Amino acid sequence: DAGVIQSPRHEVTEMGQEVTLRCKPISGHDYLFWYRQTMMRGLELLIYFNNNVPIDDSGMPEDRFSAKMPNASFSTLKIQPSEPRDSAVYFCASSLGGQGAGSPLHFGNGTRLTVT
Amino acid sequence: AQSVAQPEDQVNVAEGNPLTVKCTYSVSGNPYLFWYVQYPNRGLQFLLKYITGDNLVKGSYGFEAEFNKSQTSFHLKKPSALVSDSALYFCAVRDTGRRALTFGSGTRLQVQP
Repeated sequence: DAGVIQSPRHEVTEMGQEVTLRCKPISGHDYLFWYRQTMMRGLELLIYFNNNVPIDDSGMPEDRFSAKMPNASFSTLKIQPSEPRDSAVYFCASSLGGQGAGSPLHFGNGTRLTVT
Repeated sequence: AQSVAQPEDQVNVAEGNPLTVKCTYSVSGNPYLFWYVQYPNRGLQFLLKYITGDNLVKGSYGFEAEFNKSQTSFHLKKPSALVSDSALYFCAVRDTGRRALTFGSGTRLQVQP
């Protein structure tokens, strides 16, 4: 049973470049979450979707960040232009809404982004 | 607003001894509480959850957690620690009506042989 798949695992880019992170949730899961992990701020929720519709994007830092979910099996998080302070590990997670509020999140292995 | 506090940055314990990793929470409604573990360069793995019912919940790898409503705590425990339990542990809470989890700052568990 494949888990949440994220790509790439590592991304190194220069300041000002566009970065696109990708996520494939677990098949059948109807919730998808994007989190960011840094030493200073810990795990922060950026945005989450239900049935491909964004529900809460209040954690998106600024307009340079955007997320899409064009279908149930794919989501992207884009940063344009990137800045050194965006360096972090970005996690995608999915969950099954039918299990109710007790449904755990299943995480991918993350994308480590370094902006120089 | 919901929040979680993990008061210890690091917990050190000798192999074979019992371990406790502390967590307190704040929610406006009924709490849904979770524990996750993170190994280096990996995503978070679900360990256990409390929804309702018995205050002592059992999870993966021999871990358990005790829910205490009066103290708003949800401490993670294991009777006998293993070196392989060394990792970063996160407590998380979900408030009623919200699907996203709010995570604590994490506690690094170091089990010495």
